[in-house]
Amino acid sequence: KAGVTQTPRYLIKTRGQQVTLSCSPISGHRSVSWYQQTPGQGLQFLFEYFSETQRNKGNFPGRFSGRQFSNSRSEMNVSTLELGDSALYLCASSPTLAGAYNEQFFGPGTRLTVL
Amino acid sequence: GQQVMQIPQYQHVQEGEDFTTYCNSSTTLSNIQWYKQRPGGHPVFLIQLVKSGEVKKQKRLTFQFGEAKKNSSLHITATQTTDVGTYFCATGGGNKLTFGTGTQLKVEL
Repeated sequence: KAGVTQTPRYLIKTRGQQVTLSCSPISGHRSVSWYQQTPGQGLQFLFEYFSETQRNKGNFPGRFSGRQFSNSRSEMNVSTLELGDSALYLCASSPTLAGAYNEQFFGPGTRLTVL
Repeated sequence: GQQVMQIPQYQHVQEGEDFTTYCNSSTTLSNIQWYKQRPGGHPVFLIQLVKSGEVKKQKRLTFQFGEAKKNSSLHITATQTTDVGTYFCATGGGNKLTFGTGTQLKVEL
């Protein structure tokens, strides 16, 4: 099976702009989670989507949003970019097994730089 | 929210030496997952522990979950250069993980 894919891999934006990142999960995985990784804050959970519904949300401002399509592909959007949004954005997919804690399969990430 | 602390933050070892990273929480954890992230890479799942006192081994790696389910450790015996990377513990369910701060391992020949 192909792994989790993320596009684009690198992105440079300026403050105030908005950005959309895309993630395609492993075939058959219906859960997609997004994480932000920075040197200062580490790996932080943004949100999780399952069957096109946001099921979990982390402590990020409303400028961060996402959605999931019927084919399980997901996008996240960041509006009004700030310098502090520069980070590696990681998408992870997971098989959703009832009664289990599932391992996360991470994609290569999108490196966002805000100037 | 739940916080998980990891120590040490960095570890420099000579190839062949052992390495241990510790994950601690002030609250009882439902589970512990361990991930490895190579430099420039993404986190890769290593293992999951869910039972009190659980010990699992993968070749030179030994994972433990504390009796009180408040701490966990990852021990690598006889490190190799391929072990270089950052090791994270993580906890949570519903595909919402809280990650530890990570331990960066460097291995010198």
